[in-house]
Amino acid sequence: EIVMTQSPVTLSVSPGERATLSCRTSQSVDSNLAWYQQKPGQAPRLLVYGASIRATGVPARFSGSGSGTEFTLTIGSLQSEDYALYYCQQYENWPLTFGGGTKVEIK
Amino acid sequence: QVQLVESGGGVVQPGGSLRLSCAASGFTFTSYAMHWVRQAPGKGLEWVAFVRYDSTSKYYAESLKGRFTISRDNSKRTVYLQLNSLRAEDTAVYYCARDGAGGRRIFDFWGQGTLVTVSS
Repeated sequence: EIVMTQSPVTLSVSPGERATLSCRTSQSVDSNLAWYQQKPGQAPRLLVYGASIRATGVPARFSGSGSGTEFTLTIGSLQSEDYALYYCQQYENWPLTFGGGTKVEIK
Repeated sequence: QVQLVESGGGVVQPGGSLRLSCAASGFTFTSYAMHWVRQAPGKGLEWVAFVRYDSTSKYYAESLKGRFTISRDNSKRTVYLQLNSLRAEDTAVYYCARDGAGGRRIFDFWGQGTLVTVSS
């Protein structure tokens, strides 16, 4: 099973600032990595897949990068609606696995 | 628009069974694989099971194999998850999710979830 490690667990960012979230995999997943956003009481929402491809309707301030075992989700200028939990997920191998999540909170 | 509506959750005693349903609309159901993903209270996401569009392939999280069974009825546009021998640690919100196009095993649309509580 591919183990996913996200860091930091909590990220405190002021509105308008940039946020950088990391995801590391225990073995290479090539570019088969996705990012999701989850707000309290809601289902997750797909943000990025293929490591860097934004899903339909996702604002351009969200960008993904990386390949192999190291990945980054960058939120260019934090808006109030971006404070949430973020998860990475690999789809290189079965079983599909998620990282433990990064909470982006208001500084 | 794509809609996934889960039902069937509730309170069940340890050792009991439950069948969850997910009714799909707004897309060509027979063209998409489907997943179940769960989230224990205050915890992260855990992938549970996958069924191919034609039911010819099914995959499960290793820890759940043998207790949970995924199935689908394309005529009813519905995917199911049969939960047997339930344990307290199975308490979670269970989400139904559509598989990404092009064979990408991502979750591009999600339902609102149904809560399963295993408690005596």
